[in-house]
Amino acid sequence: QKEVEQDPGPLSVPEGAIVSLNCTYSNSAFQYFMWYRQYSRKGPELLMYTYSSGNKEDGRFTAQVDKSSKYISLFIRDSQPSDSATYLCAMSGRDTGFQKLVFGTGTRLLVSP
Amino acid sequence: ETGVTQTPRHLVMGMTNKKSLKCEQHLGHNAMYWYKQSAKKPLELMFVYNFKEQTENNSVPSRFSPECPNSSHLFLHLHTLQPEDSALYLCASSLQSGTSGDNEQFFGPGTRLTVL
Repeated sequence: QKEVEQDPGPLSVPEGAIVSLNCTYSNSAFQYFMWYRQYSRKGPELLMYTYSSGNKEDGRFTAQVDKSSKYISLFIRDSQPSDSATYLCAMSGRDTGFQKLVFGTGTRLLVSP
Repeated sequence: ETGVTQTPRHLVMGMTNKKSLKCEQHLGHNAMYWYKQSAKKPLELMFVYNFKEQTENNSVPSRFSPECPNSSHLFLHLHTLQPEDSALYLCASSLQSGTSGDNEQFFGPGTRLTVL
């Protein structure tokens, strides 16, 4: 079993839709959760960084962490064609080392005009 | 330049060549990282440097040799690579060392490496 599971997609939605991207994980010791956006031929760009359970909102993006279910989500409201990219979840914890980020494989999102 | 820069952006090399990848961070960070990104696989952490000292080697073959002369620069020296080493090599940096959970990592654009 992979430590972090993420559906590779592609996920295709029309412009303006609400997008839900998800990851599940197996290590209950993970405490820090991140979402990165990666455009084609570019490096990952940090979108959201959250600690423990709860929600965090930044503009059109909301990150949710449910540690009891070992499940994290990224919601994108009013999706735009410019949101088309691969979204990577990542996480870390004290037992694995805070600097050793464990990544999902990424979900490719396509937003059509 | 701002952020994390990497050169070259693309590299094609034969299995007997020796080449180096360069990374520079302009963020005043203390930690730097090398990652490998292969198609359909998660990013794999290769090496971690904190304050110029290597603190993590994730069982990386010796044909990959990192060097960190100071907190702003990181190199990955390559020799006698294999075709399966073809991938996107990403450099990242963060402000904090491994003692703190507040460890946001910022990535460069990567070097696309092809080994023939």
